[in-house]
This record gives sequence, C-alpha cells and structure tokens, in this order.
Amino acid sequence: GQQVMQIPQYQHVQEGEDFTTYCNSSTTLSNIQWYKQRPGGHPVFLIQLVKSGEVKKQKRLTFQFGEAKKNSSLHITATQTTDVGTYFCAGPKGTASKLTFGTGTRLQVTL
Amino acid sequence: DSGVTQTPKHLITATGQRVTLRCSPRSGDLSVYWYQQSLDQGLQFLIQYYNGEERAKGNILERFSAQQFPDLHSELNLSSLELGDSALYFCASSVRLGAGNTIYFGEGSWLTVV
Repeated sequence: GQQVMQIPQYQHVQEGEDFTTYCNSSTTLSNIQWYKQRPGGHPVFLIQLVKSGEVKKQKRLTFQFGEAKKNSSLHITATQTTDVGTYFCAGPKGTASKLTFGTGTRLQVTL
Repeated sequence: DSGVTQTPKHLITATGQRVTLRCSPRSGDLSVYWYQQSLDQGLQFLIQYYNGEERAKGNILERFSAQQFPDLHSELNLSSLELGDSALYFCASSVRLGAGNTIYFGEGSWLTVV
C-alpha cells in the first residue's frame, strides 16, 4: 500500500535556525497537503500543493512539491518558539479523498 | 475552532467495556473521517463516511464500528476495549468526496483504557 514517510522524525533547533522536513511517497500523488499539530492540539491545515515542482510560501514557511510528485518539503526560515509542533504531510490514497498521513516530524525550538 | 465538535473530550474506561465517540462535522460538510493517534504515533486512518455511506476503510479493528446518521453526525463505537486502544481519536470533516479536499479536525477524544 501507499506509504508516506517523513524525515527526520524529530529535530531540535535553536530559535533563529532553519528547519526542513522531507516527505516521500512510494507512489505518485495528485496533490499533497501539510498539517501542523501543536502539542496537545489537533492537526491544522497549512497548505495544499497540486502542480509538479510547485513552490508556495507562507511568511517564513516554504513548501515545495517535487517534479515527480512523489516528494515534498517544508522549510521554515529562522524558527521561532511558536513553530513548535509536529508537521505532517498527507496525500490522497485511491479514488476516495482519504488522506494518508506521513509519519510526522516533531520540531522542538529552544531559546 | 475548526467547527468540528467531538464528545466526550476525555474518557476513562475499563478493559472489556464499550464506548461511543460522537462527532458533529462542520456545517455543510458531508464527509466524515475517523483517525486514531496513539502516544508518539502518527495519524492512522480508520474509516470515512460520505453523506451517510461508508466510502473508505483503513486498518480499523473488527471490534470498532462507525456510522454516519442522516443529520451527518457520526459515531465511532469501540467495544471489548483493550489497553492498547488507549489513544486520541480524531474526527475530521470535509465538504466533498474526492482527492484534494482539505479536512478539518476536531479537538479529539482522549480515551484511556485501564
């Protein structure tokens, strides 16, 4: 079945450092979504990428969809403590809109 | 506030018991999803309903069942509970059925089996 892996599983950075998480799918994705889950919270939608090679920015966050539409990345520039949480990528599986979530990357930011 | 409401927020029950988790989707959303998140684990898809019909199934145990009612709210029934069923259960909803729909999560129901 479709697997969506993310690396790293966990990253601890100092505030102001950059952070990147990578998402890799075993199959081609029609689109990919990114979600953020704060500690103790629920996943919250961040963005959706649809086109091959697409790059989207949200303030300090840059999202990229690979040319082959099998991988994606999320880069955070100059992390802040408010960036703490787990970042999940998710891709649709099959014809239904069921989203298969990646394994997640937990980000810890300290001063 | 995502607009997805889940009850109860917390639940402690004994092994062998049965519980029902309830979800009200966002107004206008026809599709409801259930996910399980164990401690330090990712989001495991359980089941999806669209307008009252089951549309997709994940690794949902036979002891678990769900349904979506005509008013579009959904219930997840967990029976013969085991310690390993302790987890955070999320309900999510989306407007349509189809790849690419954004799904909105509720705050989850924390289930502890003792």
